[in-house]
Amino acid sequence: EDKVVQSPLSLVVHEGDTVTLNCSYEVTNFRSLLWYKQEKKAPTFLFMLTSSGIEKKSGRLSSILDKKELFSILNITATQTGDSAIYLCAVDDNNDMRFGAGTRLTVKP
Amino acid sequence: GAVVSQHPSWVICKSGTSVKIECRSLDFQATTMFWYRQFPKQSLMLMATSNEGSKATYEQGVEKDKFLINHASLTLSTLTVTSAHPEDSSFYICSASGRVPAYFGAGTRLSVL
Repeated sequence: EDKVVQSPLSLVVHEGDTVTLNCSYEVTNFRSLLWYKQEKKAPTFLFMLTSSGIEKKSGRLSSILDKKELFSILNITATQTGDSAIYLCAVDDNNDMRFGAGTRLTVKP
Repeated sequence: GAVVSQHPSWVICKSGTSVKIECRSLDFQATTMFWYRQFPKQSLMLMATSNEGSKATYEQGVEKDKFLINHASLTLSTLTVTSAHPEDSSFYICSASGRVPAYFGAGTRLSVL
């Protein structure tokens, strides 16, 4: 059965901390892995990863994929209160887009 | 960037009525559209995948006769919740994919009284 597992499910940090969010997957026909940030409504796109070992970076956020070990990490450095959100990992298996349970990140001032 | 429009954003209905939710891709052709359901503090749960011009593929446990999906064109998919009941109250989100990444609609909050 295809599945996407995120950890931790919940994380509380203070501003300035660095966090690492994990996503592991098992799918039949992997095409890409995506990270989204969800605040109040619909998720917003962060990164799409298709190749192993190539870091994607956007400001304080970065992400990398390991297709051999079937996981990805999302790093956020120098966290800010505005980073508080649910971070969702999704895997495109060439037919469906399956989401993990999400990591709820809370950044305290 | 690509825009996906979902309508309505919020609907309240009486138990037993049917509710239609529309999902439109505004500036690209969406060959595939996904419908998700999200309960409070939980992640998105895939309900069904629809490809233009063909029947939707429903996830296990999702009643296809209750959640009718129509994907009649490359820019429009609809989800109809038939004979809605209070347990159908939830946040429904569509996403449209012409190319990855999929783009999301703003979601529809359904409250069934």
